Amino acid sequence: KQEVTQIPAALSVPEGENLVLNCSFTDSAIYNLQWFRQDPGKGLTSLLLIQSSQREQTSGRLNASLDKSSGRSTLYIAASQPGDSATYLCAGLMDSNYQLIWGAGTKLIIKP
Amino acid sequence: KAGVTQTPRYLIKTRGQQVTLSCSPISGHRSVSWYQQTPGQGLQFLFEYFSETQRNKGNFPGRFSGRQFSNSRSEMNVSTLELGDSALYLCASSSEGGAQETQYFGPGTRLLVL
Repeated sequence: KQEVTQIPAALSVPEGENLVLNCSFTDSAIYNLQWFRQDPGKGLTSLLLIQSSQREQTSGRLNASLDKSSGRSTLYIAASQPGDSATYLCAGLMDSNYQLIWGAGTKLIIKP
Repeated sequence: KAGVTQTPRYLIKTRGQQVTLSCSPISGHRSVSWYQQTPGQGLQFLFEYFSETQRNKGNFPGRFSGRQFSNSRSEMNVSTLELGDSALYLCASSSEGGAQETQYFGPGTRLLVL
């Protein structure tokens, strides 16, 4: 069964710190790996999409990496700000059926 | 450019009823995907429509169905509602590739089944 796991489930850090969110997947046959953020009461916002042939993607203070061989992806947030507080979800698009398999998310709180 | 819109935003139904949710994609987008989000199961893929055809379907019972119109607007229908159908239903649109490319999500429809 294809599974995506995110650790930790929750994280609270002071403003200004750099942090890493982790995502692991059981099936290395992924087409892409995606990171999203979800704010309370709102839909999802796509942050970064890494194709299986890529190793990383960057957008502003965000950097996501992908290691298919180890089944891991990380989302690095530099110089965290209170506005970064949200739930961060990763999802893998599987080669076998082109369906997104979602992690349960990491709830991030940045303390001013 | 207007984002993805979903109507209604909130809905309360009773067991056994049916419900129809609507999604209007970003102008020019032809792919619409639907997802269910619950506290217990998290996010799960329901189905994807492209050019009025269902292109992919997740592992949900036949009570869950959808369709897409020629203007790319999509509806999903749930018949014979069960308590477990209470969830946030999200739709997402993309240009053509579904989840193979960046998807843009609507705010969701929160369904409560009593």
